[in-house]
Amino acid sequence: DQQVKQNSPSLSVQEGRISILNCDYTNSMFDYFLWYKKYPAEGPTFLISISSIKDKNEDGRFTVFLNKSAKHLSLHIVPSQPGDSAVYFCAASRSGNTPLVFGKGTRLSVIA
Amino acid sequence: DAGITQSPRHKVTETGTPVTLRCHQTENHRYMYWYRQDPGHGLRLIHYSYGVKDTDKGEVSDGYSVSRSKTEDFLLTLESATSSQTSVYFCAISGGLVSYEQYFGPGTRLTVT
Repeated sequence: DQQVKQNSPSLSVQEGRISILNCDYTNSMFDYFLWYKKYPAEGPTFLISISSIKDKNEDGRFTVFLNKSAKHLSLHIVPSQPGDSAVYFCAASRSGNTPLVFGKGTRLSVIA
Repeated sequence: DAGITQSPRHKVTETGTPVTLRCHQTENHRYMYWYRQDPGHGLRLIHYSYGVKDTDKGEVSDGYSVSRSKTEDFLLTLESATSSQTSVYFCAISGGLVSYEQYFGPGTRLTVT
């Protein structure tokens, strides 16, 4: 059973528009949530994170929203750029310095 | 970028042979992890280490062993490689200012024929 789910395998967005990537989780013990971006033949790159005591975290064009009651988080990218085209992984952990549980990823394509 | 290197970056080996992958970090972080990435599965934890000589199993540990004799090095060994272990292997570290953030190496693509 998957504890972290990304139900959309792919998403296509026009350049300049908003990209919204979604993630659901089942384990209420998760306290930290992270988003990673991955290009082909490279390791995942940390993008942004949020702890369960917050409901929003913003870093430049990237914002993560957390809805604990719905066990749902989303990553917003505004405005989307062609260089954002990559696979995005949602991940969660129960506490600091513990292994991450990953979703299966969403492939984002930003079309110029 | 976090100072994490993995070697080799690519390897082709035959079924039944032992294989060792190396992860080396220059960040002096205490925690290190090995994940594998397969199509349709995301990243799954193989083993992790919470200090020198301290390791624990992950979700997909069967057929793998690890060792950590120094803070900077975490070795992953496939005792007798099988075709199901064809995958991309990623090492990660944590233990910096934000303890739950993990940083990944560039990966090793392993093919078992």
